Amino acid sequence: DGGITQSPKYLFRKEGQNVTLSCEQNLNHDAMYWYRQDPGQGLRLIYYSQIVNDFQKGDIAEGYSVSREKKESFPLTVTSAQKNPTAFYLCASSWGLAGSNGELFFGEGSRLTVL
Amino acid sequence: GQQVMQIPQYQHVQEGEDFTTYCNSSTTLSNIQWYKQRPGGHPVFLIQLVKSGEVKKQKRLTFQFGEAKKNSSLHITATQTTDVGTYFCAGRSGGSYIPTFGRGTSLIVHP
Repeated sequence: DGGITQSPKYLFRKEGQNVTLSCEQNLNHDAMYWYRQDPGQGLRLIYYSQIVNDFQKGDIAEGYSVSREKKESFPLTVTSAQKNPTAFYLCASSWGLAGSNGELFFGEGSRLTVL
Repeated sequence: GQQVMQIPQYQHVQEGEDFTTYCNSSTTLSNIQWYKQRPGGHPVFLIQLVKSGEVKKQKRLTFQFGEAKKNSSLHITATQTTDVGTYFCAGRSGGSYIPTFGRGTSLIVHP
């Protein structure tokens, strides 16, 4: 089955530790995205990537880093510089850039809790 | 920057009542998308509207795009408990190819 796989689903970390969230897609989509969701805040864009080895900052990139070494993979690292990292993180992909031709396909999300 | 406002934030209805959520943009939109997120789940695409004044229907759901392409609405007729979830609009303006999401409207349906 084609889709987007995020792991882990739940993650607990101590303050000050870096955390990497995995996102893999087998839809052959060019564009991939990371969103952060907090209650009542909607979806806020962290980073996005249009092609391999290229990515752009979104609205709330501070304290996060990404890489796009392969088309199917777009991992997100939540660094210790992120002041409030506890949140629900959603990875998405699309044919080209969403809004141009089609929709975003979302993974099931990773819930990060920093203790 | 582009802003997409969505109201209301929450809506409680009795099963069988109608429901509407509204999106308003500060800029003219190229298109608008709607997504549904079930409790504990992830957003799932519902529809995309592109033309001024466009109206699309999916069974009990009616989607509208305003004439000025600055607002949109989603109307559900005769809600069912399966309609429970958060509905998001996501608008794209000409200057940006990344859609901006509204904060969502959470629909709670009481049986």
